Amino acid sequence: KQEVTQIPAALSVPEGENLVLNCSFTDSAIYNLQWFRQDPGKGLTSLLLIQSSQREQTSGRLNASLDKSSGRSTLYIAASQPGDSATYLCAAGGTSYGKLTFGQGTILTVHP
Amino acid sequence: DTAVSQTPKYLVTQMGNDKSIKCEQNLGHDTMYWYKQDSKKFLKIMFSYNNKELIINETVPNRFSPKSPDKAHLNLHINSLELGDSAVYFCASSQAGGRPGELFFGEGSRLTVL
Repeated sequence: KQEVTQIPAALSVPEGENLVLNCSFTDSAIYNLQWFRQDPGKGLTSLLLIQSSQREQTSGRLNASLDKSSGRSTLYIAASQPGDSATYLCAAGGTSYGKLTFGQGTILTVHP
Repeated sequence: DTAVSQTPKYLVTQMGNDKSIKCEQNLGHDTMYWYKQDSKKFLKIMFSYNNKELIINETVPNRFSPKSPDKAHLNLHINSLELGDSAVYFCASSQAGGRPGELFFGEGSRLTVL
């Protein structure tokens, strides 16, 4: 049974800092790894999708890496801004139809 | 244009009632899902439909009955609501055949059972 853990549970940083969010999963037989952002009272916005054959994906100030063998993924946010404040969720995609296993999330607060 | 839309956004009801949540996607995807986010913000899959066919039923009580009239719609009907059903229900869709591609989520339907 896949289990996904995110560390830290919460993070508060000053604006401008570079930061790393960690995600680990117990079953390395994943199809993909997806990072989402959730704002309070809102749905999930897909940030990055890494297929199992890939090592990393980049979008703007975001970079996500995937190491299947060690069961880890990291989300790197460069030059953080107050608008980045949200909950960040990682989810491991299994071999079943769309069965994502989610971590519990990292609550990020970027203060001016 | 909203890609994945759910209605209603908020639903407050009494125990024992029956309620439905509707979901529609205009992305042309072939797979749709229902996920549940509990009070601890933990997201878990409930159902997955591919081309109107039920693919995943993740040990959900049979009081929950999904229905997919076509590829673009997936509704969730809940009978005999219980206090523990209070949660945010998210609809999602993807396009990747039988494998999980990138999922796109709706804004959620917050169900409160009193």
